[in-house]
Amino acid sequence: AQTVTQSQPEMSVQEAETVTLSCTYDTSESDYYLFWYKQPPSRQMILVIRQEAYKQQNATENRFSVNFQKAAKSFSLKISDSQLGDAAMYFCAYRGYNFNKFYFGSGTKLNVKP
Amino acid sequence: DSGVTQTPKHLITATGQRVTLRCSPRSGDLSVYWYQQSLDQGLQFLIQYYNGEERAKGNILERFSAQQFPDLHSELNLSSLELGDSALYFCASSDDRVGNSPLHFGNGTRLTVT
Repeated sequence: AQTVTQSQPEMSVQEAETVTLSCTYDTSESDYYLFWYKQPPSRQMILVIRQEAYKQQNATENRFSVNFQKAAKSFSLKISDSQLGDAAMYFCAYRGYNFNKFYFGSGTKLNVKP
Repeated sequence: DSGVTQTPKHLITATGQRVTLRCSPRSGDLSVYWYQQSLDQGLQFLIQYYNGEERAKGNILERFSAQQFPDLHSELNLSSLELGDSALYFCASSDDRVGNSPLHFGNGTRLTVT
């Protein structure tokens, strides 16, 4: 089974600074999809960004961007100009090409300091 | 708003009891997924249904069961409840006809077993 690893249980960033959250995954598939979800204190699960493995270009959504390195099986999330509202738990997720179930990492708790 | 509706929002019950959690997927989505999240924990995949049929099973206890109805809504039944079953239960839906379709999460049902 595929595994998703988030090696940073908790991180802190100063408001307006940039932070990068790490995610690695293990797979033998060549085509797949990757996602980052945000879970604020309200505990809602919110999609932040997605990446198709066949696309070389890194996905970007406003202040959120990814650094996708397929050979290294790495999918990090960069948050620029961090805001207090970015404080949340962030989960990385993997989905295989054949619409297999989603595999989630254990999460990284991001603290934003004013 | 993800378009996924979960009811009830909160549920408080006693050990040994049985409860039913309900989920209406986003319009057009054929797949429903159930996840369990204990406090400060990650997401535990329970079960997935696609167009009325069970597609994948995760760490779902035998005391738990689920089904997806012809109108695509789904129910998760939890019986012989134990204190350890207290958690946030998420339903998520996905358009599994499209590979990069993300999971759209409901707001969860917070179950407290006393």
